[in-house]
Amino acid sequence: ETGVTQSPTHLIKTRGQQVTLRCSSQSGHNTVSWYQQALGQGPQFIFQYYREEENGRGNFPPRFSGLQFPNYSSELNVNALELDDSALYLCASSFPGQGNYGYTFGSGTRLTVV
Amino acid sequence: KQEVTQIPAALSVPEGENLVLNCSFTDSAIYNLQWFRQDPGKGLTSLLLIQSSQREQTSGRLNASLDKSSGRSTLYIAASQPGDSATYLCAVYQAGTALIFGKGTTLSVSS
Repeated sequence: ETGVTQSPTHLIKTRGQQVTLRCSSQSGHNTVSWYQQALGQGPQFIFQYYREEENGRGNFPPRFSGLQFPNYSSELNVNALELDDSALYLCASSFPGQGNYGYTFGSGTRLTVV
Repeated sequence: KQEVTQIPAALSVPEGENLVLNCSFTDSAIYNLQWFRQDPGKGLTSLLLIQSSQREQTSGRLNASLDKSSGRSTLYIAASQPGDSATYLCAVYQAGTALIFGKGTTLSVSS
């Protein structure tokens, strides 16, 4: 079975631009979560999607938005990029909505905003 | 609000030593606790998952314990190797929320 894959692996954007990050969940997992990890910090929860609906959100502004598609893949969109958005963005998938069986993470997308 | 703390923040040991990484959490109403390994600039690799009804889990040289009542978990690494050098993160899961992470312990094992 395939794991969680994220694209692109690295990205450089200019302040004020918009970016889209992509994630394919592990086979059989219908819940996808996104995390932001700043250097030297633990991952911070952005939001979670279950069956194409957002069902949880962390303390991030509305310019962070997402989508989940019928095949359970997901996108994270960030508008009006700021320098502080520079971070490693991690996608994780899990079994039906509860996370009781643990989360599987992708390798991440390193976003640099200049 | 759940808070997860990991101590120490960094640890350096010679090869072959047995070591313990600590994780504490403030709200004991968790579904499970998961330990992850993260190599520099990389994603997270799951090491061990302990359900709330369990006391410990083992995988090879790794053993993780969970004491929900005291809000603590430990990750024991036996006979450490240079390849174990990485950051180790613990995270708890509660109903209706997402994973809450600690800041991690960065381990360096010298040969």
